[in-house]
Amino acid sequence: AQSVTQLGSHVSVSEGALVLLRCNYSSSVPPYLFWYVQYPNQGLQLLLKYTSAATLVKGINGFEAEFKKSETSFHLTKPSAHMSDAAEYFCAVSSGGYQKVTFGTGTKLQVIP
Amino acid sequence: DADVTQTPRNRITKTGKRIMLECSQTKGHDRMYWYRQDPGLGLRLIYYSFDVKDINKGEISDGYSVSRQAQAKFSLSLESAIPNQTALYFCATSEAGTDLETQYFGPGTRLLVL
Repeated sequence: AQSVTQLGSHVSVSEGALVLLRCNYSSSVPPYLFWYVQYPNQGLQLLLKYTSAATLVKGINGFEAEFKKSETSFHLTKPSAHMSDAAEYFCAVSSGGYQKVTFGTGTKLQVIP
Repeated sequence: DADVTQTPRNRITKTGKRIMLECSQTKGHDRMYWYRQDPGLGLRLIYYSFDVKDINKGEISDGYSVSRQAQAKFSLSLESAIPNQTALYFCATSEAGTDLETQYFGPGTRLLVL
C-alpha cells in the first residue's frame, strides 16, 4: 500500500520569502515521488520527480525537493516566492510498474505582495 | 495543440440523466486514467486502463463506467447522475516503461449535477 500526506491545506508566504510545502509518504517498496502544480482553471502539470537517482531533485520554476528516506519525506522548496507561484501543489507517490499513482490532498499556496 | 483534450469543458445536468465525458490524446500513450477532484480531497482515481483491452476500477468507481474505444480515446460515463458527482474531472495519460509514471493531464471537465 502507498499513501502521501500533505501537511497544511493552505500556506501563505510573502513575495520573496522561502516556500516550504511538506509531504510525507508511505510505501512498502522504494517509491517514485512527484510534485505536480495546478494553476487556476488548468490541469495538473509535473513540477519535478524523484526516481532513485539524486536525492535532491530540481524542477521547473526554481523549485526543488529533497528525498529523505529516514524521514519518509519529500518536501518542496523554493528560495524566493514569486506571485506567479500561487497555485495548488500536489505530492504523489508510485511504486512503479503496474502500480497506480496516489495523490495527496493538495496544498494551496498564496503569495502575498 | 493540446496533447490531452477533454470534452465538454463544462457541463450542467440534472439528477438521473446519463452523461458522457470524453478524453482524447495524441501522445501515443498506452495508459489512461480518469480522476475526480473535490476540494480538500485531492484527486481520486475512478478508472484506469493500461491498454485497450485492460480496464480497471479505481478507488471510487461506483456510479461510473468507462469505455476505451481506441488507444487514443477513453470515455467516462455517469449512468444516472446524482448531485454528489458534482466535481472537476480529469483525464490523464502515462507511458508504460518510460518516463517513470509521469502523468499528463487534460484541462478538466467541470460537472454540475442539479
